[in-house]
Amino acid sequence: GESVGLHLPTLSVQEGDNSIINCAYSNSASDYFIWYKQESGKGPQFIIDIRSNMDKRQGQRVTVLLNKTVKHLSLQIAATQPGDSAVYFCAENMAVYNQGGKLIFGQGTELSVKP
Amino acid sequence: KAGVTQTPRYLIKTRGQQVTLSCSPISGHRSVSWYQQTPGQGLQFLFEYFSETQRNKGNFPGRFSGRQFSNSRSEMNVSTLELGDSALYLCASRVRAGNTEAFFGQGTRLTVV
Repeated sequence: GESVGLHLPTLSVQEGDNSIINCAYSNSASDYFIWYKQESGKGPQFIIDIRSNMDKRQGQRVTVLLNKTVKHLSLQIAATQPGDSAVYFCAENMAVYNQGGKLIFGQGTELSVKP
Repeated sequence: KAGVTQTPRYLIKTRGQQVTLSCSPISGHRSVSWYQQTPGQGLQFLFEYFSETQRNKGNFPGRFSGRQFSNSRSEMNVSTLELGDSALYLCASRVRAGNTEAFFGQGTRLTVV
């Protein structure tokens, strides 16, 4: 039968504006978080990460904020450009003692940048 | 430094067949994880290998299996393919198992007909 895709939240911004993409994570024990960007036909591209002992981390044009109290993560992109148009995923690392960890991904947000 | 390499990029198989996908991690990385991406379920964890041992497994049937070689390259195998196995299969490379940066390959697009 016909498959029903996830209905991705969409964020549409004007070129040059700042973008904020939000994500709620599920596990209080998650110790590490990553934001990925995925363009059509490509694998997820690492953007920025943050550990659970931090609440803010900045990269080039990007900032990640972590609020452990409400289990919320956000990605801020400054001066958004058309090349930023993509689907953005947050991922939480669920650590398993002595057995590595697995990434649990959010559903993704589609960012559309209007020139 | 070369990134994560997955082969093949595209694959078409018939229901009931089996398939093997390959992943070469970034040089020096010893952890390889596999993920399935579909429009309906998003990105889902399959399993993680480190030092040739499976460290972690997701909620997939036993038809999905994998292994890792001494050079850290990994393969995943899907037996008795079903239409619902059509997906983008992604491999992620980490220096070690655990909370470190994970870098993805381009994926293998598997279509089951």
